[in-house]
Amino acid sequence: QQQVKQSPQSLIVQKGGISIINCAYENTAFDYFPWYQQFPGKGPALLIAIRPDVSEKKEGRFTISFNKSAKQFSLHIMDSQPGDSATYFCAASIKQGAQKLVFGQGTRLTINP
Amino acid sequence: EAGVAQSPRYKIIEKRQSVAFWCNPISGHATLYWYQQILGQGPKLLIQFQNNGVVDDSQLPKDRFSAERLKGVDSTLKIQPAKLEDSAVYLCASSSRTAGELFFGEGSRLTVL
Repeated sequence: QQQVKQSPQSLIVQKGGISIINCAYENTAFDYFPWYQQFPGKGPALLIAIRPDVSEKKEGRFTISFNKSAKQFSLHIMDSQPGDSATYFCAASIKQGAQKLVFGQGTRLTINP
Repeated sequence: EAGVAQSPRYKIIEKRQSVAFWCNPISGHATLYWYQQILGQGPKLLIQFQNNGVVDDSQLPKDRFSAERLKGVDSTLKIQPAKLEDSAVYLCASSSRTAGELFFGEGSRLTVL
């Protein structure tokens, strides 16, 4: 089954707090796990991505944690800011040949000032 | 560098009517994708082109949806006849190579009444 399950559906965090979004997948052939950020009226934009050969990747305030045995990965946003308010999608694909991204359902993140 | 251009941004039609969406990818990007994003869900791949050839159209409802990419640049997605459940944002994305980062356009929002 090529599914990616994402939680929570919505999340409210105070400014300066840590936002955590979780995803779980079933297909063990997935080998590329990106996170996309989408603002209203815009298309998704790549935020950060990880491959299963590492357990963590950090870019600025954004960190992906990856647990291969549990088939789970998560996005952590440190020092969350009101400008981070957006919808976040996790995704997965088999990056050999054609790239066919399977997206999670999305998390609407609101950062309160 | 200009991004992925899509038009129209918004379209409202009656069911059973037809509609067409246009996409101009980033210059030089050989791979082009059409995704369907229903409200509250993650994008779902409809079709992937490599230059002007179809790589994957397994999730395209071929009885009503069609897409083409003439000369390996612009692409058109057509729906005929439209159903209520086709109401969604249709996102076009492109990448410089088959397994490269996807760049999304702002999407075309379709409402079927």
